[in-house]
Amino acid sequence: SQKIEQNSEALNIQEGKTATLTCNYTNYSPAYLQWYRQDPGRGPVFLLLIRENEKEKRKERLKVTFDTTLKQSLFHITASQPADSATYLCAPISSGSARQLTFGSGTQLTVLP
Amino acid sequence: DTEVTQTPKHLVMGMTNKKSLKCEQHMGHRAMYWYKQKAKKPPELMFVYSYEKLSINESVPSRFSPECPNSSLLNLHLHALQPEDSALYLCASSPIRLGTAQNSGNTIYFGEGSWLTVV
Repeated sequence: SQKIEQNSEALNIQEGKTATLTCNYTNYSPAYLQWYRQDPGRGPVFLLLIRENEKEKRKERLKVTFDTTLKQSLFHITASQPADSATYLCAPISSGSARQLTFGSGTQLTVLP
Repeated sequence: DTEVTQTPKHLVMGMTNKKSLKCEQHMGHRAMYWYKQKAKKPPELMFVYSYEKLSINESVPSRFSPECPNSSLLNLHLHALQPEDSALYLCASSPIRLGTAQNSGNTIYFGEGSWLTVV
């Protein structure tokens, strides 16, 4: 069965450091992968999308990589700030099922001042 | 701020009550969704509507009854719920064609959610 795993339920890092979150998937052949941010009691907010033929995508302090051989995506936040504290969710998506978003378990990131 | 509006934000209902959750968007999206989220778990898809017609039902119990009266509105009717149905219910919308371009027009927009407690 399809499985999406995000490493460590919780990740604490010091302000200014780079946070690295991992998303591993099995029994999937995603055409692309999305990352979302979710704050407590609120709906997820889209951050970045990366396609299967792209190795890396950047947006401001965010960087996402996608390795289809390893079946893994890495999500980096550079120069992290306390305001980056949230739960981050990955969602690998197969073409043709884009509307059936299945999220990973999420990683709760806390950036300590 | 999200452009998907959900009401009410909080709802407490008894197991014999009938209530409804409401969702509205004015982005012209023709796909709308209901998700359920339990504490410390990711959102789980319940229903998808495409052009106001139910296209996906993820084996949701019949005590949850979705309705899409028009392209801007989505309701979730609740009847005879169980305490384990207590959760955050998220509505979302998107363009019908979800491609792979980077712009945010190809993604799914979520509302703030409705917190449901069944007593």
